[in-house]
Amino acid sequence: SQQGEEDPQALSIQEGENATMNCSYKTSINNLQWYRQNSGRGLVHLILIRSNEREKHSGRLRVTLDTSKKSSSLLITASRAADTASYFCATYGGYAGNMLTFGGGTRLMVKP
Amino acid sequence: DGGITQSPKYLFRKEGQNVTLSCEQNLNHDAMYWYRQDPGQGLRLIYYSQIVNDFQKGDIAEGYSVSREKKESFPLTVTSAQKNPTAFYLCASSIRGIAGGGNEQFFGPGTRLTVL
Repeated sequence: SQQGEEDPQALSIQEGENATMNCSYKTSINNLQWYRQNSGRGLVHLILIRSNEREKHSGRLRVTLDTSKKSSSLLITASRAADTASYFCATYGGYAGNMLTFGGGTRLMVKP
Repeated sequence: DGGITQSPKYLFRKEGQNVTLSCEQNLNHDAMYWYRQDPGQGLRLIYYSQIVNDFQKGDIAEGYSVSREKKESFPLTVTSAQKNPTAFYLCASSIRGIAGGGNEQFFGPGTRLTVL
């Protein structure tokens, strides 16, 4: 079974809008990472947030982590058509021990 | 250019055949990983290696084998014992192994394996 589960499974928005994806997990973690995957390609690391951090920013990306609720969110501001991809959260530590465990992903479509 | 490469991009296998997927990295990373991805799903760990000549089973190792004779190379063999091998296979590497703190992983472009 998966440690992290993303919500929603699919999201369709217009260019310029913000996109928010959520990730929930079951047990305590060391860190949580977000990755992006364009169709049929490998994954690209976006951001890592440690269990003692609450928020991180990278360009148009904002990640929050709430360890009390065992959840994280990824916000993409001012989305572009090029942001169309699948986004995965991955947790390290906790449920799967010393493994990086991936969720099922959110498929984001940004319409021009 | 530094990076991680996988070959071939597409691979077709007849039932009962073993096939080997290549993964090479020139990032000088200690750890390497193999994942399987089924359509619309997340990644599942097949095998990982934290150092040369050592590797560990992941969640779905049955029907697969690996070797790590060189730091740069981590080939995956899909054996005939793997009953449902059609999937997208991704190789990744990280600076340190899993026990080193769960640092970010760098992925190759993937190999799509289809069983005919």
